[in-house]
Amino acid sequence: DQQVKQNSPSLSVQEGRISILNCDYTNSMFDYFLWYKKYPAEGPTFLISISSIKDKNEDGRFTVFLNKSAKHLSLHIVPSQPGDSAVYFCAASHTNAGKSTFGDGTTLTVKP
Amino acid sequence: DTGVSQDPRHKITKRGQNVTFRCDPISEHNRLYWYRQTLGQGPEFLTYFQNEAQLEKSRLLSDRFSAERPKGSFSTLEIQRTEQGDSAMYLCASSLGVNSGNTIYFGEGSWLTVV
Repeated sequence: DQQVKQNSPSLSVQEGRISILNCDYTNSMFDYFLWYKKYPAEGPTFLISISSIKDKNEDGRFTVFLNKSAKHLSLHIVPSQPGDSAVYFCAASHTNAGKSTFGDGTTLTVKP
Repeated sequence: DTGVSQDPRHKITKRGQNVTFRCDPISEHNRLYWYRQTLGQGPEFLTYFQNEAQLEKSRLLSDRFSAERPKGSFSTLEIQRTEQGDSAMYLCASSLGVNSGNTIYFGEGSWLTVV
């Protein structure tokens, strides 16, 4: 049972446009959500997070939106840059558990 | 740089041999995690420590796998009698371990290839 799902394995966008990456979760106990970026042969790098008490968190070009009723979150990157090309992982955790549960990732390609 | 450090970065071993990976977490972090990642999948949780106590182990962690964090600082992950299915990237991560907003920070990973 995969509790965190990223249904789009890949996404391709033009430089300067918006990239929207989506993530769905099934466990209603999750109360903290994170996005990571991963380049080949490297470990995931933390990008941005959001607590379940918020519905939006913004950091520069990156904004995460949380829809608790739909159990859905999304990462918006505006404007997209070629250096953003990487695999993006969504993760979720809850207060009483130590671990984070990850989705299988979406490969973003930003074309110049 | 005081990020999470892993050693070795790459390991090729013959099936049946034992391997050990080391992780040094961010110094002020009291939680340490081990994850495993294979191609096309996200990181899969293996185990985590709060200081020196191992608080949770995944069912993925067979009895050939053992992890330790003897002094609550660095950790080792040992795989005994390696199998080809153990080939993966082994990721270590650490966090402050607060009850909410628990952001984990990963190291560069240790690639294991079992031939």
